[in-house]
Amino acid sequence: AQSVTQPDIHITVSEGASLELRCNYSYGATPYLFWYVQSPGQGLQLLLKYFSGDTLVQGIKGFEAEFKRSQSSFNLRKPSVHWSDAAEYFCAVTIKAAGNKLTFGGGTRVLVKP
Amino acid sequence: DGGITQSPKYLFRKEGQNVTLSCEQNLNHDAMYWYRQDPGQGLRLIYYSQIVNDFQKGDIAEGYSVSREKKESFPLTVTSAQKNPTAFYLCASSRMAARGVGELFFGEGSRLTVL
Repeated sequence: AQSVTQPDIHITVSEGASLELRCNYSYGATPYLFWYVQSPGQGLQLLLKYFSGDTLVQGIKGFEAEFKRSQSSFNLRKPSVHWSDAAEYFCAVTIKAAGNKLTFGGGTRVLVKP
Repeated sequence: DGGITQSPKYLFRKEGQNVTLSCEQNLNHDAMYWYRQDPGQGLRLIYYSQIVNDFQKGDIAEGYSVSREKKESFPLTVTSAQKNPTAFYLCASSRMAARGVGELFFGEGSRLTVL
């Protein structure tokens, strides 16, 4: 069955430190990959997406992600975290046959220490 | 500003009552979606619609119903048959991209609590 796994439920990071959020997927076909961010009680905002081409993609708010086909991973990174990055982050995956029917991971909640 | 409007933001319901959540978009998107969010489970697809007057079940459609009479509107009814309806509900929309895949745009959600 197709699945998306975010192994870390919570991550605490100090302001100014680097951040990496993990995402692994299990799909037979070429995946289309997304990272979304959600502030408490709000909807989701797209950070970045990967469809094809360069496997390192840049997004908004200083985030980037790298697609590694051999590891079935699409990890999200940010070199220096700001207090406003405290939120929940969701990885999502689809394949062409599924169109825009995304499968979401369980989410990683990021806490930022001053 | 273009976007997706969900209402109400908070809703309380007694057991046995049906309730309808509203979702309106002015992005001129063809496709609309309803997701349910529970802590630690990510988002799960309830229903989606790619065109007016047509919709399909997602992964957890039991106890829910939808309609798509207008392109802009995709209301979700949570029926009394839904065993555990307390959750955060998110509506989304997307273009029908040429490659078949595009990004979803989300509303701000509706939190339903069953008393």
